[in-house]
Amino acid sequence: NAGVTQTPKFQVLKTGQSMTLQCAQDMNHNSMYWYRQDPGMGLRLIYYSASEGTTDKGEVPNGYNVSRLNKREFSLRLESAAPSQTSVYFCASSPQGRVSTDTQYFGPGTRLTVL
Amino acid sequence: ELKVEQNPLFLSMQEGKNYTIYCNYSTTSDRLYWYRQDPGKSLESLFVLLSNGAVKQEGRLMASLDTKARLSTLHITAAVHDLSATYFCADPLIFGQGTELSVKP
Repeated sequence: NAGVTQTPKFQVLKTGQSMTLQCAQDMNHNSMYWYRQDPGMGLRLIYYSASEGTTDKGEVPNGYNVSRLNKREFSLRLESAAPSQTSVYFCASSPQGRVSTDTQYFGPGTRLTVL
Repeated sequence: ELKVEQNPLFLSMQEGKNYTIYCNYSTTSDRLYWYRQDPGKSLESLFVLLSNGAVKQEGRLMASLDTKARLSTLHITAAVHDLSATYFCADPLIFGQGTELSVKP
């Protein structure tokens, strides 16, 4: 099992460009999450999907959109990148929803720089 | 505003010493999660604490949960260099700022 995979690992964008971060999990988990990590601020939830076909906003959703393509894949799109979106992005999955007793499994991260 | 706050944020320890990281949370959650992150790496799960009074131990690390006080602790016993990392608590979707632990010989 590969667990949670993310592509790309690194990306540099210019302000105003768009891109999609891809995430896939092969653990048959129901729930998937997108976080961003900035120095000194821990992880902040951008969006999550409790189950296939549903998505919900997290703490910092502005400037992002998500798609739960199927049970395995959850993508994060930046329509018009801004320097404030420079961050490390982590995707995670868990067997059930936010009331679950289960922990989250994290991908390796995507390091995004917006110039 | 719901918060999860850790302290200290930075901790420099000598090998062989004991110390405790504190995690205070303002949510009504009855469960708390601890994760470890090595520099430049992803997060891995350490402990899942599911009820008041829960205590979990793994090696030199022990975590506990007091839901009445909204407090979780991560106790480090006889620290070794391999424990150097950043430790996060989470409840489960709101993360603390992280505690960067450095264990020096």
